[in-house]
Amino acid sequence: GAGVSQSPSNKVTEKGKDVELRCDPISGHTALYWYRQSLGQGLEFLIYFQGNSAPDKSGLPSDRFSAERTGGSVSTLTIQRTQQEDSAVYLCASSPQARGTQYFGPGTRLTVL
Amino acid sequence: KQEVTQIPAALSVPEGENLVLNCSFTDSAIYNLQWFRQDPGKGLTSLLLIQSSQREQTSGRLNASLDKSSGRSTLYIAASQPGDSATYLCAPCISNFGNEKLTFGTGTRLTIIP
Repeated sequence: GAGVSQSPSNKVTEKGKDVELRCDPISGHTALYWYRQSLGQGLEFLIYFQGNSAPDKSGLPSDRFSAERTGGSVSTLTIQRTQQEDSAVYLCASSPQARGTQYFGPGTRLTVL
Repeated sequence: KQEVTQIPAALSVPEGENLVLNCSFTDSAIYNLQWFRQDPGKGLTSLLLIQSSQREQTSGRLNASLDKSSGRSTLYIAASQPGDSATYLCAPCISNFGNEKLTFGTGTRLTIIP
């Protein structure tokens, strides 16, 4: 079956612009996760959704980052006023239930010039 | 704050050898622990999930062990093959108050020499 998909696969933007990253989880998966992987920081947890709710948003690096999930399916990660330090690969994962095996998408490589 | 350490950072072994990758974590109040592999330029592939109540979990040539009280996990790979070359990441899961979070180690880069 179809795995987790993310779009775009690559995004180049100018400093100060807003970007939206999209994640389509595996159908029926109730849990959805966003992570960021950058050269200096390794893999960093950003946010977890169970259904449409995100119990804890403290993993988001700053108030320029926001995420939403609608209809218990697609999720969007928005970064406002991008900075060069936001350059990273943004990974999305989904799981059939909370605390289950996570299935990762291929990621979106974001480059902020 | 959970901290995860993986040793060694890099490992090269000849094809056919058995090997062990190590993971240690500071907060033992975990719900489960997952091992992943990451191939260059790609996302992560889940290998094994071991529950906090389990001591071992096996899948094919892979065996993961967990000693929750001491904050350690190992991934054993038997009869290594060149296709096993990848970066291996461990990630303990903390879950409380409806929230859930994986914390990743920095990984072990494994190279299997044909």
